[in-house]
Amino acid sequence: VQLVESGGGVVQPGRSLKLSCETSGFSFTSYAMHWVRQAPGKGLEWVAVISLNGDSEYYADSVKGRFTVSRDTVRSTLYLQMTSLTIADTAVYFCAKPGFGGYFFEDWGQGSLVTVSS
Amino acid sequence: YVLTQSPSVSVAPGQTARITCGGNNIGKKGVHWYQQKPGQAPQLVAFDDSDRPSWIPLRFSGSNSGNTATLTITGVEAEDEAVYYCQVWDSPTDHYVFGPGTEVSVL
Repeated sequence: VQLVESGGGVVQPGRSLKLSCETSGFSFTSYAMHWVRQAPGKGLEWVAVISLNGDSEYYADSVKGRFTVSRDTVRSTLYLQMTSLTIADTAVYFCAKPGFGGYFFEDWGQGSLVTVSS
Repeated sequence: YVLTQSPSVSVAPGQTARITCGGNNIGKKGVHWYQQKPGQAPQLVAFDDSDRPSWIPLRFSGSNSGNTATLTITGVEAEDEAVYYCQVWDSPTDHYVFGPGTEVSVL
C-alpha cells in the first residue's frame, strides 16, 4: 500500500488549496478514505471521510462547509479541496486508508504541509 | 465524544508502560491505538481494543472496559519512545475522535 500526498504549500488566509493523495497497492474502490491533520506540535485531528463509492461524505465540525473531499476511481486518487482557509488550518495533512471493514486507520501517507500565512 | 489521556509516561527499559485512554462508556466502543515518532506519520499498533497488526511486536497489547482503555507495553525498549494516540469512532455523529496523545519517555 502506498499513499502519496501532494499539493501543500503556503497560502494566504481566505484563499483555497487542493490536496491530492495518489494511492496504489490496494483496491481503491473497496475502501472509504480519510483525511487527518496535525497542527504543528499538536495532536491528530480527523478531518473528513468519503465512502468507497463517493456517494457520502462526513466532515469534522471545524472544516464543514469549507472543505470538500472527493475521489477519482480511474486515477485511484483522493482529493481535499480547502476553501476560506484560516491560520488554524495550518497543519500536516495525511490521507489514511482504513482497515477493511474497520473504523481505524491502517495505512497512512507521509503527509503534506499546508501553511496559512499572510 | 471526548477522549482523555495523560500527557506523559516515563518508564525504564524492560519495565511495563501503561497508557490509558478515558471516555464515557468507552468500553462499549472499539478503541484503536497509534504510535507516532517525530517527523513520521502515525502507525497503527492496536485495533478493536486488543488486536495487533502482524508487524507489531507481541509486547504491545490492549484492553478496554468501563470508562478506560489501556495500551500496555511489556518490556519497553528504547525504540518505543514516541507519542501514543487512542482513537474511536463515534457512531451518533459518524465522526472519528482522537485522544490528545501520551508521550512515552524511555529513561
